[in-house]
Amino acid sequence: EVQLLESGGGLVQPGGSLRLSCVASGFTFSSYAMSWVRQAPGKGLEWVSGISGSGDSTFYADSVQGRFTISRDNSKNTLYLQKNSLRAEDTAVYYCAKGKYTSSTRHFDSWGQGTLVTVSS
Amino acid sequence: QTVVTQEPSFSVSPGGTVTLTCGLSSGSVSTSYYPSWYQQTPGQAPRTLIYNTNSRSSGVPDRFSGSILGNKAALTITGAQADDESDYYCVLFMGSGICVFGGGTKLTVL
Repeated sequence: EVQLLESGGGLVQPGGSLRLSCVASGFTFSSYAMSWVRQAPGKGLEWVSGISGSGDSTFYADSVQGRFTISRDNSKNTLYLQKNSLRAEDTAVYYCAKGKYTSSTRHFDSWGQGTLVTVSS
Repeated sequence: QTVVTQEPSFSVSPGGTVTLTCGLSSGSVSTSYYPSWYQQTPGQAPRTLIYNTNSRSSGVPDRFSGSILGNKAALTITGAQADDESDYYCVLFMGSGICVFGGGTKLTVL
């Protein structure tokens, strides 16, 4: 059974930094692209960032480009999101999502339960 | 910037049929965007319903179906049930590793 467990959320001041982690189990982690998706309170889902299975390729939404860095440690089955220069509008539940990207499909097939990040003074 | 459009809200009677759509602010949605659909109830993580336009994820009832209708992707729920009352999101994959979520549709079953 695929399991994705996020951690690292909490309260941080504007301008501060935070690193989120997502520990994966139940599948060959290095074979799958992964993404972070966030949801601000009362708002919809927003794709934030993605990374290839090898970690060689990374992708970002315009809203976080230059401030967030996605990475992974395949030896630890762990996905990370380093968030710098945090703003109030980064307040959200952050989900990690397992991607299925092949020549014939692109979609998210498993989701974690999310970790809440609150940016406030 | 690419905007993926969805109806903000929709209502359906129990047992009825409803079709939610997913469009682009400019252009048409086609299968090359690999449209997928996700269901989310308050406080819960999203659940994958449909991928590749019309493939059902494991365990998803066959009353959920996906298609392309005109220039949009569509999610049809046939025989709506009370526990289908949720938020529904579509995602389009834009290429170059980027994907975009629609704003979501809040479905009420009453």
